[in-house]
Amino acid sequence: NAGVTQTPKFQVLKTGQSMTLQCAQDMNHEYMSWYRQDPGMGLRLIHYSVGAGITDQGEVPNGYNVSRSTTEDFPLRLLSAAPSQTSVYFCASSYDGGGNQPQHFGDGTRLSIL
Amino acid sequence: GQNIDQPTEMTATEGAIVQINCTYQTSGFNGLFWYQQHAGEAPTFLSYNVLDGLEEKGRFSSFLSRSKGYSYLLLKELQMKDSASYLCAVNNDYKLSFGAGTTVTVRA
Repeated sequence: NAGVTQTPKFQVLKTGQSMTLQCAQDMNHEYMSWYRQDPGMGLRLIHYSVGAGITDQGEVPNGYNVSRSTTEDFPLRLLSAAPSQTSVYFCASSYDGGGNQPQHFGDGTRLSIL
Repeated sequence: GQNIDQPTEMTATEGAIVQINCTYQTSGFNGLFWYQQHAGEAPTFLSYNVLDGLEEKGRFSSFLSRSKGYSYLLLKELQMKDSASYLCAVNNDYKLSFGAGTTVTVRA
């Protein structure tokens, strides 16, 4: 009963490095999303996807890329890490992203950029 | 833009009732969610409102007034394990916008 799985759980990067945060769900959910959570600011939507092959930007997309080649996976790529991207990143999924479907969150990736 | 406001912190005594208010101004509205988040953990779903009125789920209830852009989460018979952050979130066309969260501390 895995739900939403994020890897890695912790990561330290140097400024300018690139990396991919992995997210996989086994609930056959069509909708997946990425958020970042910073102190005092709540969760902010980075990118989302309503199904395989479809992605769209959220509130804070700059510096991040996503792709959705399968229903199960939704990786988040940091192109050139900056200290401002130090945050906790959560991946979430729901049945269709529509009104009454709650999102199920992964355990998060704690990312530090030096 | 999206503006979702909730108090930063609240403190209450074990066994008491606490009401967490959330006001929102958003460009659209497809429903309002409440999530609970314990420190260092992922948010977990508590309740959902799309129509005006009260939704009750055990010790937790949530209320919505769409005309006023207002919701509240009511936590009854508080337990120590209810110490957590409570997040108000508005769904607008597949985009979920969150408030900054209210940290509730339950004291013995």
